[in-house]
Amino acid sequence: DAKTTQPPSMDCAEGRAANLPCNHSTISGNEYVYWYRQIHSQGPQYIIHGLKNNETNEMASLIITEDRKSSTLILPHATLRDTAVYYCIVRVATVNNQGGKLIFGQGTELSVKP
Amino acid sequence: DTGVSQDPRHKITKRGQNVTFRCDPISEHNRLYWYRQTLGQGPEFLTYFQNEAQLEKSRLLSDRFSAERPKGSFSTLEIQRTEQGDSAMYLCASSHDWAGYGYTFGSGTRLTVV
Repeated sequence: DAKTTQPPSMDCAEGRAANLPCNHSTISGNEYVYWYRQIHSQGPQYIIHGLKNNETNEMASLIITEDRKSSTLILPHATLRDTAVYYCIVRVATVNNQGGKLIFGQGTELSVKP
Repeated sequence: DTGVSQDPRHKITKRGQNVTFRCDPISEHNRLYWYRQTLGQGPEFLTYFQNEAQLEKSRLLSDRFSAERPKGSFSTLEIQRTEQGDSAMYLCASSHDWAGYGYTFGSGTRLTVV
């Protein structure tokens, strides 16, 4: 079962920041937080990941609370192309140096509106 | 490299028929995963391979399902005696053997059983 809880849907105005929350209160010390998104009729796409520090890349920022029990994905200037389902996943980085499977929940359906 | 390729993109079959899907992963990726996704749900893990070895199978993978990855390159997923409940999107992903963030998904094969 997925170890995360996300709101089922959110709206965001185009050009504004989209803040997508994720609760992972049972996260273990060696588990990372990963975010993927799935645009309609496509496979999921990696966005960003982190362990305990905040992370930023060209797509988004990831803010992880100090106790690591929740995180927020931030899309700084949402566009219509960011309309998608966003999945928050927790997983160990490696299992005996072998990457384990990703377990997806139901995600948050983000609708960016003009 | 053009990413993960899946063939066919769409398949309509009659109940009781057998179907086979193909996945061509990114060439340097050792691990290959199969997922199934039904409408409104996140992808559900089915099975994965490390090179040619099938390391894990989900309980979702009934006896009618079989997956192979000969020579550790492309993979096939066969469903025998299809049922209407098999209608779903079947997604393939590949990754390096240690990277939790490096999953690359294909666009999937949409199966409709009539």
